[in-house]
Amino acid sequence: QVQLVQSGAEVKKPGASVKVSCKTSGYTFTSYDINWVRQATGQGLEWMGWMNPNSGNTGCTQKFQGRVTMTRDTSRSTAYMELSSLKSEDTAIYYCARAPVGASAYYFDYWGQGTLVTASS
Amino acid sequence: SYEVTQPPSVSVSPGQTARITCSGDALGDNHASWYQQRPGQSPVLVIYQDTKRPSGIPERFSGSNSGNTATLTISGTQAVDEADYYCQAWPSGTEVVFGGGTKLTVL
Repeated sequence: QVQLVQSGAEVKKPGASVKVSCKTSGYTFTSYDINWVRQATGQGLEWMGWMNPNSGNTGCTQKFQGRVTMTRDTSRSTAYMELSSLKSEDTAIYYCARAPVGASAYYFDYWGQGTLVTASS
Repeated sequence: SYEVTQPPSVSVSPGQTARITCSGDALGDNHASWYQQRPGQSPVLVIYQDTKRPSGIPERFSGSNSGNTATLTISGTQAVDEADYYCQAWPSGTEVVFGGGTKLTVL
């Protein structure tokens, strides 16, 4: 069965960086995009960006350009998202989500359990 | 930038039909997807490509998309359907947008 298992909660000081992992299983890692979506407490879903694990190509929304880095280790079927220069407003649950590629629509069929990142002094 | 808009809340009586809308410029020209999120849980895909249901999603969930509005319809709503629902689109082929979410209350 398809699973996306994320790393544990993190507490970081403002200005620091955080790296969240998303270990996948149950499917061919390089055949689906991995996206990152975050959700602040009591707020809605906010899309951050995508990565194609096969090519390593990435893209993100303008808000996070220059601050987010998405990488992968194909030998471990694991994707990573690093967010730098953390601010208190970055405190949120961060989700990885799988997206089928090549279809006329883009959607997220499996999600990780979420990683709480807290940016606080 | 492209935006999609949802009503903040919808209420429905058990057994009745709930309709949640998602509005955006020419949304019908793009595919919409819908996610259910219960408190403390990760989102779950309930409708993709406007009308398709993933395996395991009950038949009472259906979707449509035309003009500027996509609609998630839940027929015979049950208490277990009480959750937040988010629409999602991919308007430019490069960025994903989510609606602000709709809290469905089953009274």
